[in-house]
Amino acid sequence: SAVISQKPSRDICQRGTSLTIQCQVDSQVTMMFWYRQQPGQSLTLIATANQGSEATYESGFVIDKFPISRPNLTFSTLTVSNMSPEDSSIYLCSVRENTEAFFGQGTRLTVV
Amino acid sequence: SQQGEEDPQALSIQEGENATMNCSYKTSINNLQWYRQNSGRGLVHLILIRSNEREKHSGRLRVTLDTSKKSSSLLITASRAADTASYFCATAPTGGFKTIFGAGTRLFVKA
Repeated sequence: SAVISQKPSRDICQRGTSLTIQCQVDSQVTMMFWYRQQPGQSLTLIATANQGSEATYESGFVIDKFPISRPNLTFSTLTVSNMSPEDSSIYLCSVRENTEAFFGQGTRLTVV
Repeated sequence: SQQGEEDPQALSIQEGENATMNCSYKTSINNLQWYRQNSGRGLVHLILIRSNEREKHSGRLRVTLDTSKKSSSLLITASRAADTASYFCATAPTGGFKTIFGAGTRLFVKA
């Protein structure tokens, strides 16, 4: 099973700033996925990141707000730009091996 | 909406009782998975059931899948206080690569 390391594990940020979250996988994967979990809510898919191409964003999420990099098959970053308190959430990266999904421990972001 | 429906949204039971959570989804699927999350921490994978399976057991967990009704249930038998957590179903739609989560059930087991 894939092992996913995510950092930072948590951060408190000022509104208007940006935070980049890193996700490292211990094996090469074609697709990586970024999710957001708002307080008390379920996980919502932000985008799918493929190596060598632009990320595919879900409805309600845009590249200017959540730029994603995927420089190789084991690494991806998600940036939360121009943050506001509404961006306070847990952000998780995920990969799929065969048909099972694996998750990092998440980044708990608080915007003040 | 990305999410399927789960019910109940919240469930409070006594230790030793059984807890049943239900999940409905919208599209045909390859498989369905159940996850547990303690207090906003990381997700713990509990069990995966494939679209050609109807029931699966793992320890105190029993999962059923009814693809004709697009629904699944998770039964936790002889619950313990340590089972207190949020439980999510997640589907892998046929022909796709995403994992789509249900709204989740918050389970509280009273000692």
